[in-house]
Amino acid sequence: EPEVTQTPSHQVTQMGQEVILRCVPISNHLYFYWYRQILGQKVEFLVSFYNNEISEKSEIFDDQFSVERPDGSNFTLKIRSTKLEDSAMYFCASKMGRESYEQYFGPGTRLTVT
Amino acid sequence: EDQVTQSPEALRLQEGESSSLNCSYTVSGLRGLFWYRQDPGKGPEFLFTLYSAGEEKEKERLKATLTKKESFLHITAPKPEDSATYLCAAHNAGNNRKLIWGLGTSLAVNP
Repeated sequence: EPEVTQTPSHQVTQMGQEVILRCVPISNHLYFYWYRQILGQKVEFLVSFYNNEISEKSEIFDDQFSVERPDGSNFTLKIRSTKLEDSAMYFCASKMGRESYEQYFGPGTRLTVT
Repeated sequence: EDQVTQSPEALRLQEGESSSLNCSYTVSGLRGLFWYRQDPGKGPEFLFTLYSAGEEKEKERLKATLTKKESFLHITAPKPEDSATYLCAAHNAGNNRKLIWGLGTSLAVNP
């Protein structure tokens, strides 16, 4: 069964460093998403991406965040200068098309900023 | 403001003891109500989508129902492997479309 994959599973970085989180969405899906979940809190929407551009973004997704689909399979989230409060689980999700609302999630990357 | 609230926050059941989880929602132009299962340290696993009031979906011991204000996830004769956090999310319409999540119900099923 096709699934969303994410790497790395755990990333430890120092405050101020740049990190890139990687995702491979399900191959025939067209819409891609990043979410984060701080320990014990709700899942929070960060950004959605379609046709090589951002379609929606939340107030969390400020200038320190960027997304990219560098090739036909990968979808990345870059955090330019990490802060302690960026420590969270980051989930990538994808869905098939405009009329499909079901999003399928990857296993997540646990980001720890020290 | 769009909002999703789940109750209870935590539920402990004996194996075989049926119960229901609640998800109350207030969103502009509901485009779908979603149930996900999340195991510790893992990503949400899709269970059901409900689109209109009165709709019901079933999968093994789980049944999801939807009204205009809330959704229920009924668990019939649960087993220990059903232990997980069950998340509810609502997809809104209009500007700033996204999934709005509840905090989840942490379910523990004791053998």
